[in-house]
Amino acid sequence: QQQVKQSPQSLIVQKGGISIINCAYENTAFDYFPWYQQFPGKGPALLIAIRPDVSEKKEGRFTISFNKSAKQFSLHIMDSQPGDSATYFCAASSIFNKFYFGSGTKLNVKP
Amino acid sequence: DVKVTQSSRYLVKRTGEKVFLECVQDMDHENMFWYRQDPGLGLRLIYFSYDVKMKEKGDIPEGYSVSREKKERFSLILESASTNQTSMYLCASKAGTASSYEQYFGPGTRLTVT
Repeated sequence: QQQVKQSPQSLIVQKGGISIINCAYENTAFDYFPWYQQFPGKGPALLIAIRPDVSEKKEGRFTISFNKSAKQFSLHIMDSQPGDSATYFCAASSIFNKFYFGSGTKLNVKP
Repeated sequence: DVKVTQSSRYLVKRTGEKVFLECVQDMDHENMFWYRQDPGLGLRLIYFSYDVKMKEKGDIPEGYSVSREKKERFSLILESASTNQTSMYLCASKAGTASSYEQYFGPGTRLTVT
């Protein structure tokens, strides 16, 4: 059973546009929801993360929106840039436990 | 800065060979993880370790084993490599404190089994 479902699988956005990636989770015990960014040939790196006690977290152009009742969270990239082109993974975890990752979204930002 | 290093970036092995993938972290983290990454499947946990000589199976442990003799080093072993183990392998580490959630990943090893 897939614990975290991520969509879309791929996304093409024009430079300056908004990129939106969605994730849904099953386990209500999860209390940490990170997004990872991975460039080709590199390991994933933490981009931004949220705990369920807030509905939104913003860091620069990156925002996580969190809907606890719907068990959904999303990543918004404002003013998308070609340098944002990468694969993005959502994940969910609870402390001392495993991470469950989404299947990934390949983002291509066109100049 | 946390650094997680993996012994090889690319490996090509033959079916039936024994394969060792090494991972070293320099932040004295208690927890270490091995994932494999395949297109459309995301990252799947193979094994993890929360202390020296301790290990737990992840979601896809079949065909793999691990070793953690020292805190900083976590090895993934493919006892008899098969073509379906061709994949990107990622190591990660994480502190064991109650307030620390973040996992730090190595650059990955792309393994091809022919």
